[in-house]
Amino acid sequence: EAGVAQSPRYKIIEKRQSVAFWCNPISGHATLYWYQQILGQGPKLLIQFQNNGVVDDSQLPKDRFSAERLKGVDSTLKIQPAKLEDSAVYLCASSLQPTSETQYFGPGTRLLVL
Amino acid sequence: DQQVKQNSPSLSVQEGRISILNCDYTNSMFDYFLWYKKYPAEGPTFLISISSIKDKNEDGRFTVFLNKSAKHLSLHIVPSQPGDSAVYFCAASINAGKSTFGDGTTLTVKP
Repeated sequence: EAGVAQSPRYKIIEKRQSVAFWCNPISGHATLYWYQQILGQGPKLLIQFQNNGVVDDSQLPKDRFSAERLKGVDSTLKIQPAKLEDSAVYLCASSLQPTSETQYFGPGTRLLVL
Repeated sequence: DQQVKQNSPSLSVQEGRISILNCDYTNSMFDYFLWYKKYPAEGPTFLISISSIKDKNEDGRFTVFLNKSAKHLSLHIVPSQPGDSAVYFCAASINAGKSTFGDGTTLTVKP
C-alpha cells in the first residue's frame, strides 16, 4: 500500500512570494490533515478535511493560507504572501476515519522563507 | 499556553536499558493520548495510545502509563535498541479528535 505522498520535498522562496504544496493521501482515506511543524516544536494542525469539506480550520491563518481538496482526494495548501515565520515543515496526513490514532503522515515539505 | 509539554528535549540511554519519556498536560478534558515516533526526513508514525479509562497500555517493548490525577503520562521502552533513536512526540486529544502535540523528546540509544 502506497503511503501519503507530498511534493515538493524542499522549497526556498523569498518573503512575499507565494508557494503551493501538494498532497496525495492514501487511497480510500476520507480524512486529510495539514500540519505545520516549526523547528523544535510539535506539529500544529492547520486544517482538516472530511472528503472535500472542511472540518476544522480554526488554526489556519486565513489572511495568507488557503487549502482545498477538490474531489475529496488530492489537496493543495497555498501560502500567499509568505512571511519569514512561515519557515517550517508542512506535513500532510490522512486517515480512514477522523480519529487521531489512525493518521498516516507523509514525509513533509520543508519550506525556507528568506 | 502550551497544553501538552515534554520538558526534556533530549534523552540518552545505553542499549538494553530502559528509556523513559515523560509528558505533562494541562487540559483536563483530554481523554485520549498518543505517542508518535519520528525519524529525520520522515513524517511521524503512530506508536502507541491510551484512553483515559486505563492507566497502562502495553505493546511489545513499549508501555505507556497514564496518571490522570497528576496529568502525566510516560512512555517506557524496554529494552532500548539503537533503532529506537528518534524524536518522540506526545499528543493528546478529546474524544480521539484533533491532536495537540508536545514539542518532542530526542532519544539517543547508544550501542
